[in-house]
Amino acid sequence: NAGVTQTPKFQVLKTGQSMTLQCAQDMNHNSMYWYRQDPGMGLRLIYYSASEGTTDKGEVPNGYNVSRLNKREFSLRLESAAPSQTSVYFCASSESAGGETQYFGPGTRLLVL
Amino acid sequence: AQSVSQHNHHVILSEAASLELGCNYSYGGTVNLFWYVQYPGQHLQLLLKYFSGDPLVKGIKGFEAEFIKSKFSFNLRKPSVQWSDTAEYFCAVNPSGGYNKLIFGAGTRLAVHP
Repeated sequence: NAGVTQTPKFQVLKTGQSMTLQCAQDMNHNSMYWYRQDPGMGLRLIYYSASEGTTDKGEVPNGYNVSRLNKREFSLRLESAAPSQTSVYFCASSESAGGETQYFGPGTRLLVL
Repeated sequence: AQSVSQHNHHVILSEAASLELGCNYSYGGTVNLFWYVQYPGQHLQLLLKYFSGDPLVKGIKGFEAEFIKSKFSFNLRKPSVQWSDTAEYFCAVNPSGGYNKLIFGAGTRLAVHP
C-alpha cells in the first residue's frame, strides 16, 4: 500500500507557465483534497472532491483548477503560474467526507520565478 | 469565520522535558479534532484524534491530548520529549455538518535538544 502519492516532488516554473500536479491514492477512499502550505499559515484547502465526479472550492481556489479523473486520481492545475503560488502542495484523501481522518501525500514543492 | 489558534509558534526543549502545545478553535458546534505531525522532510501524519467520548485521547509515540469543550481547547501533551520528537505540529478542526473540511492552525515548530 503506497497510500497517497504525488508527482512531481519538486518543480520550478516561470511566471505564466502552466503545470499539473498529480495525486493518486490506493486506499479506495471516496474523498480527496488539495492543500497548500505556507510558512506561518498552516495548510489551507484549495479544492476538494467529496466523491468521484464532484469537486468544490475550498478556502483559496483562485488560480487553480482540479479534475477528479477517477476514484483514485485527483489533479491540480495551475493555468498561469504566479509567484504567489510558490508553496508546498499536499494532496490528501479520506474514506468519506464525514469528518474521518485525512491521509496526506509527501507534497510537491513548487517555486514560481 | 472559523479559525484555529496555536499560540506557540516555536518551542525549544531539552530531552526529558515535558511538552504542552496549545490549540484553541472558534466554532460553537460539534467538532472533530486532530493533531498532525510533520517530521523534517516528511508528510503529515496523524498523531491522534478526538471524535466523541473520553475527552482525554492517547495517540502514537506517547502523545495525548485533552478536549475541554468549555474552553474550546484541544491541547497536546507529552510527559517526556525525545530528540526524535523534533517536528512541526498542527492542530486541525473539522466542524460538523458539512463536508470534510479541515481547518488547520498555523503550526508549532518543536526543537528538542539532546
